[in-house]
Amino acid sequence: GQQVMQIPQYQHVQEGEDFTTYCNSSTTLSNIQWYKQRPGGHPVFLIQLVKSGEVKKQKRLTFQFGEAKKNSSLHITATQTTDVGTYFCAVDGNQFYFGTGTSLTVIP
Amino acid sequence: NAGVTQTPKFRILKIGQSMTLQCAQDMNHNYMYWYRQDPGMGLKLIYYSVGAGITDKGEVPNGYNVSRSTTEDFPLRLELAAPSQTSVYFCASSYSGRGYFGAGTRLSVL
Repeated sequence: GQQVMQIPQYQHVQEGEDFTTYCNSSTTLSNIQWYKQRPGGHPVFLIQLVKSGEVKKQKRLTFQFGEAKKNSSLHITATQTTDVGTYFCAVDGNQFYFGTGTSLTVIP
Repeated sequence: NAGVTQTPKFRILKIGQSMTLQCAQDMNHNYMYWYRQDPGMGLKLIYYSVGAGITDKGEVPNGYNVSRSTTEDFPLRLELAAPSQTSVYFCASSYSGRGYFGAGTRLSVL
């Protein structure tokens, strides 16, 4: 199956600090998606990236797809306690594979 | 639209028992998936379906079975439950590259 690695596995930040998670694939991806899962909740779709070098923003969240379409990143500016959760990248084909996830803790 | 609905929300099974986890979606999506998520871990694909009558194995299919007789329903069957199947199970559908998840079923096998 598709192998998608995510780093870091865990990240603790002070409220107001920035946060970045990275997703890497050994193969070229047709698209990549990002999801957020709150503690005790289910994954919720954030965004899909399709084009090489694509950058999309949602308020304090910036998503980027690499030029070679083998990696992607999610950056959160000035984290808030509401950002707590696990962020997953996912690759969509017939099968729908998720990265290992990055668990974000925000310390008030 | 209710989206993706999973039942039950919680269940405790004894070793060797069987059960079916129900999943239904009302968005007319062809693609549906079952995942398991162990505590503090990622999502592992159990089975998936690209349309009614078509199912295929994912990464961790052993101990599970699925059927897809209609577009709406995608039940997951556990035969002879084992403690290793203690997990949270998520059903999902997708359309145009966007995944929609149910709230999950928390299953304990004791």
